[in-house]
Amino acid sequence: AQTVTQSQPEMSVQEAETVTLSCTYDTSESNYYLFWYKQPPSRQMILVIRQEAYKQQNATENRFSVNFQKAAKSFSLKISDSQLGDTAMYFCAFMRFNDMRFGAGTRLTVKP
Amino acid sequence: NAGVTQTPKFRILKIGQSMTLQCTQDMNHNYMYWYRQDPGMGLKLIYYSVGAGITDKGEVPNGYNVSRSTTEDFPLRLELAAPSQTSVYFCASRGLDPIQVYEQYFGPGTRLTVT
Repeated sequence: AQTVTQSQPEMSVQEAETVTLSCTYDTSESNYYLFWYKQPPSRQMILVIRQEAYKQQNATENRFSVNFQKAAKSFSLKISDSQLGDTAMYFCAFMRFNDMRFGAGTRLTVKP
Repeated sequence: NAGVTQTPKFRILKIGQSMTLQCTQDMNHNYMYWYRQDPGMGLKLIYYSVGAGITDKGEVPNGYNVSRSTTEDFPLRLELAAPSQTSVYFCASRGLDPIQVYEQYFGPGTRLTVT
């Protein structure tokens, strides 16, 4: 079974600075999808960014980018120019067909 | 579009009681999912459906049942509630759009407490 590990339970960053959240996963498959979801205090799950495993190019979405290292099974999220609204839980997720596995999450606090 | 809606938002059950968590989506999505999120943890897949009449187990199906009689609705049934089922429950759906084929759209969640 696939597993997802987020080794940083909590992180903090100053407003306008850059922060990187770590994620590793374990799978024997070669085709899959990886995601980062944001969960603010409202509890709503919001998709931040997605990476297809067959693509070598790292995904970017505005201030969010990933460093996807397939051989190392690593999928980190970089948030540039951090904003107060980025304060939330961040979950890394692995998906193959209909089986989605989430990590335990990293609580990110952006400080003014 | 309302997206994915869930009812109720909150519920307190006594041990041994039964209830159904409702989930409805108005995006004509084929795939629907139920997850649970325990305190301080990520989401875990309970059941999923690939279309009306077709359901399958996820990672943590014990103690739950589902049905999918229409494209829009995917209710989750708890037959004999136990304290271990205290959690926040999320419903999600996804379509077959080639561009966003793997993006799941989540409902707002139902917080369930079993005492």
